[in-house]
This record gives sequence, structure tokens and C-alpha cells, in this order.
Amino acid sequence: QSALTQPPSASGSPGQSVAISCTGTSSDIGGYDAVFWFQQHPGKAPKLLIYEVSKRPSGVPDRFSGSKSGNTASLTVSGLQAEDEADYYCSSYAGSSNFRIFGGGTKLTVL
Amino acid sequence: DVQLVESGGGLVQPGGSLRLSCAASGFTFSSYWMHWVRQVPGKGLVWVSRINSAETSRTYADSVKGRFTVSRDNTKNTLYLQMSSLSAEDTAVYYCTRSDWFDYWGQGTLVTVSS
Repeated sequence: QSALTQPPSASGSPGQSVAISCTGTSSDIGGYDAVFWFQQHPGKAPKLLIYEVSKRPSGVPDRFSGSKSGNTASLTVSGLQAEDEADYYCSSYAGSSNFRIFGGGTKLTVL
Repeated sequence: DVQLVESGGGLVQPGGSLRLSCAASGFTFSSYWMHWVRQVPGKGLVWVSRINSAETSRTYADSVKGRFTVSRDNTKNTLYLQMSSLSAEDTAVYYCTRSDWFDYWGQGTLVTVSS
């Protein structure tokens, strides 16, 4: 099972919105509403931002939103803040044997 | 507060073995699926293994199948990963994470396979 495809980098100025895409196949993203997004700051553990395509855990600001169309999922960060500068990973359920695959990560830079 | 604390990482020679532990607190450990995810420093995340709450179901990534064994002790609130036949490709930070949502993560433990 190949990894999901994310752009290696994205950027935006404070206050702007940025969207990060995550492309898979009908065997993962397109086949299930089980897409997750994680934020990882340098030297830290990943943090769950979005689960089941568009749901936010308690404590995650509503500036973070998720969506899916076909085999592509997206994470949108609105009202960019300096602390949003981090690596972002998408993940999808990929069947009972492979279970979960990740994207290669996108480094978000706040200009 | 939910806490996951990994331990057991270190330097091991190719072909060697290592057992990682993940001590859980702040939640009912015996009620949750638990997972291991690894990350080569500077690279992306890779799912490794999962185990259900009753230890009756285990799943592994193809890259570790037959070499790694996941287990848990619900009386000690601890998750384990027994790793054998290690190679340089297994060098990574190993994280334990809770539930199929991966909603809480430990801080990770670094495993380095090198002679």
C-alpha cells in the first residue's frame, strides 16, 4: 500500500487561509470516511487535529477544518497564526490488513 | 490527564532484539485498542501494529510482520512491542498511541539499529 500524497510544503501570511491536500485511492481515502489529520511541531509528538474527515477533537480551534472529495482530502487552516507553523500529516484507514497509511507530510510555514 | 510514556529504546546491533514498553495512565487502558507508530527522524509517520483491548486481535504492517510482536498487560496498564531480527531500516522513533483515532500519543522512544 503506497503512502498518501501530500505537497511537501505550504505557506501563508498571518491571518490568511491555507489548504493542504492529501491524495489517495478508492482503497483508502475514497473508500472510507476515516481520514485523520495530525499536527507535529519539531521534536514533539503528533497531535490529532481532525478525525473522520471533518470532526475536531475537543480543544482544537475551529480555524482547522477538514473535507473530502473523492480520493482527495483537504485540511484548511484559516486565520493563520505563528504557532500553526508545523508539519501536517494526513492518514486514512486502508483496510483490515494494512489498517492505516499516512501521507508524507507537509511543512507549513507562516511567513 | 491521559499520559503515555514509552521506554526501552536504545542502540542495538543488526539482527538483535529489543522490547519497548508504553506505560498508560489517566484513562481506562483495558477499554482501548492501542497502536505503535514509528517515524524515522526527519521523515514521515508509519503505522506499525495494533492490538485490541482483550489481546484477541493483533495486526501488523507488512514491513514488520513475523519480526515484531505486540502485547499488553491490562493489570499493569502497559503496552509492549517485542522487536526481533532488527535491521537499519527499523531505526526510528517509536510512538505508542491510543485508539483507532490515534487521539493521544506518547513522547516516543528512539531505536537505533547499528553496528
